[in-house]
Amino acid sequence: DGGITQSPKYLFRKEGQNVTLSCEQNLNHDAMYWYRQDPGQGLRLIYYSQIVNDFQKGDIAEGYSVSREKKESFPLTVTSAQKNPTAFYLCASSPQVMNTEAFFGQGTRLTVV
Amino acid sequence: DQQVKQNSPSLSVQEGRISILNCDYTNSMFDYFLWYKKYPAEGPTFLISISSIKDKNEDGRFTVFLNKSAKHLSLHIVPSQPGDSAVYFCAAQSGGTYKYIFGTGTRLKVLA
Repeated sequence: DGGITQSPKYLFRKEGQNVTLSCEQNLNHDAMYWYRQDPGQGLRLIYYSQIVNDFQKGDIAEGYSVSREKKESFPLTVTSAQKNPTAFYLCASSPQVMNTEAFFGQGTRLTVV
Repeated sequence: DQQVKQNSPSLSVQEGRISILNCDYTNSMFDYFLWYKKYPAEGPTFLISISSIKDKNEDGRFTVFLNKSAKHLSLHIVPSQPGDSAVYFCAAQSGGTYKYIFGTGTRLKVLA
């Protein structure tokens, strides 16, 4: 089955630790995205990548880093510099074609204690 | 600076009636608009979209209307069903970029 896999579903980390969230897709999509969802704030774009080895900052990139070494994978690292890391993180992908929808993974709930 | 706004955080509708969810945007460069449905602790699923060259797109019980002059779009669900209860996000994409800008969401509750 084609789709986007985010792992793990739930993640707990101590404050001050970096943590990496996994996102893998087998849809052969060129573009991939990371969003963060907080109550009452919708989905806010953290980073996106339109092609391998290239990525751009979204609206709330501070405290996050990404890499895009393979077309299928777009891991997100939440660093200790991110002031409010506890959130629901969503990864998405889309073809590199205008006027098409993005497909989302099931999300990772990160809780920092 | 919220480029896509959903000013109603919640909406309750009786089963069988029409649900109307609204979305406003500020960026005139947006040329593609989408609606997603989301259940708690799950990823959003695509519902319906519309290109800026159209003013209406219909898919079964779902219809999206676009008013470019008002920078406003709406999603109509007719008839509403209890299974439609979820959070609905509108999103926009501008030509030349592939990123999607989302609104804050509207929680729809369809009452049986």
